[in-house]
Amino acid sequence: DAKTTQPTSMDCAEGRAANLPCNHSTISGNEYVYWYRQIHSQGPQYIIHGLKNNETNEMASLIITEDRKSSTLILPHATLRDTAVYYCIVRVGDYKLSFGAGTTVTVRA
Amino acid sequence: GAGVSQSPSNKVTEKGKDVELRCDPISGHTALYWYRQRLGQGLEFLIYFQGNSAPDKSGLPSDRFSAERTGESVSTLTIQRTQQEDSAVYLCASSLGVIYRTDTQYFGPGTRLTVL
Repeated sequence: DAKTTQPTSMDCAEGRAANLPCNHSTISGNEYVYWYRQIHSQGPQYIIHGLKNNETNEMASLIITEDRKSSTLILPHATLRDTAVYYCIVRVGDYKLSFGAGTTVTVRA
Repeated sequence: GAGVSQSPSNKVTEKGKDVELRCDPISGHTALYWYRQRLGQGLEFLIYFQGNSAPDKSGLPSDRFSAERTGESVSTLTIQRTQQEDSAVYLCASSLGVIYRTDTQYFGPGTRLTVL
């Protein structure tokens, strides 16, 4: 699977949008971009995934650049409960998930 | 709908004892996975089930670890003669099945195992 690069940490104000970047410059044409998060002491939580088109669900939006070399996860109205480590991975068919260091997002009141 | 559930949520045991960890996957999910996560570490793959069969047991650390799945539903991970290095959070995930290219894994809350 292609490697991803994410910032180590970021802060966000409660109620504001949080934009989490991810670089995946070596992504293959058939690899999907997935986002998970892990709140302290809990199991990883699936957020969203996409291939080429932008995607939106009840949790977040995923914006993938046209060349697919990077993407941005958007949490539209961050709450304190969104404080977590966010993982961006690219994969196709590989069932052995592994996460990198991720981005530690701290939402502040 | 109901997500993946695991029990117990916490387990404290003495070195040398056996433990059983249970996972109830999302209904209809044919694939089930066990992972281990040590404190501050990443995910460590243990085993994958498709239906009741385990085509990939490559991540089981030793023969003290075993797992089974019955009725294409519940799975049990058993650790015999526990050691202190077995202390970790054991995570279960399930998915529709690996035949799907976008096979999304959904995780349970985990079982925190502490071996004294």
